[in-house]
Amino acid sequence: DSGVTQTPKHLITATGQRVTLRCSPRSGDLSVYWYQQSLDQGLQFLIQYYNGEERAKGNILERFSAQQFPDLHSELNLSSLELGDSALYFCASSVLGEPYNSPLHFGNGTRLTVT
Amino acid sequence: AQSVTQPDIHITVSEGASLELRCNYSYGATPYLFWYVQSPGQGLQLLLKYFSGDTLVQGIKGFEAEFKRSQSSFNLRKPSVHWSDAAEYFCAVVAYGGATNKLIFGTGTLLAVQP
Repeated sequence: DSGVTQTPKHLITATGQRVTLRCSPRSGDLSVYWYQQSLDQGLQFLIQYYNGEERAKGNILERFSAQQFPDLHSELNLSSLELGDSALYFCASSVLGEPYNSPLHFGNGTRLTVT
Repeated sequence: AQSVTQPDIHITVSEGASLELRCNYSYGATPYLFWYVQSPGQGLQLLLKYFSGDTLVQGIKGFEAEFKRSQSSFNLRKPSVHWSDAAEYFCAVVAYGGATNKLIFGTGTLLAVQP
């Protein structure tokens, strides 16, 4: 158990809808990272927050947004969903703000299916 | 841009046999390199990392990796594979982007273990 909690585990929704994925980092971790894993794109870095502030941005679509709250949990909002957004969304957390100075601990992911 | 390539999509080995998973990186200076493992239905778990110093790095679960600058490689090895090692293995590198740095993953190698 990594200590990173992601909810829900599974989500099925229709095209055009909006969903929110939630991540609770390990106790004491200040950074939260979001990744998307799909068969055709592999593991893609979306965005990182550190202590409530956006730290790094990857291949995140404009329809997607995220935030990190004062209690350090994070939410990833996906809107105007398309079939191609179906994927496994991972959250990871780490103590420090850089991916090289403290290891990332991954949750078990939220599987999103868009129909 | 920094990247990693995992040339083998799928590898099958017999239980008890040795294992080597290949990873090639693209970066001019010394990179920060990682190997992660993803078991079915699970998130990613860090096996080992290389930052500098000794080019042979020991990790968890009996894995090791060797950094070879001349070959731009960071191959993962295990002398004797167990059935429980069947999983997907990801090589990763920190991509530097000015003020922000990102952990970028390769496409993964799926390991099957034959009895």
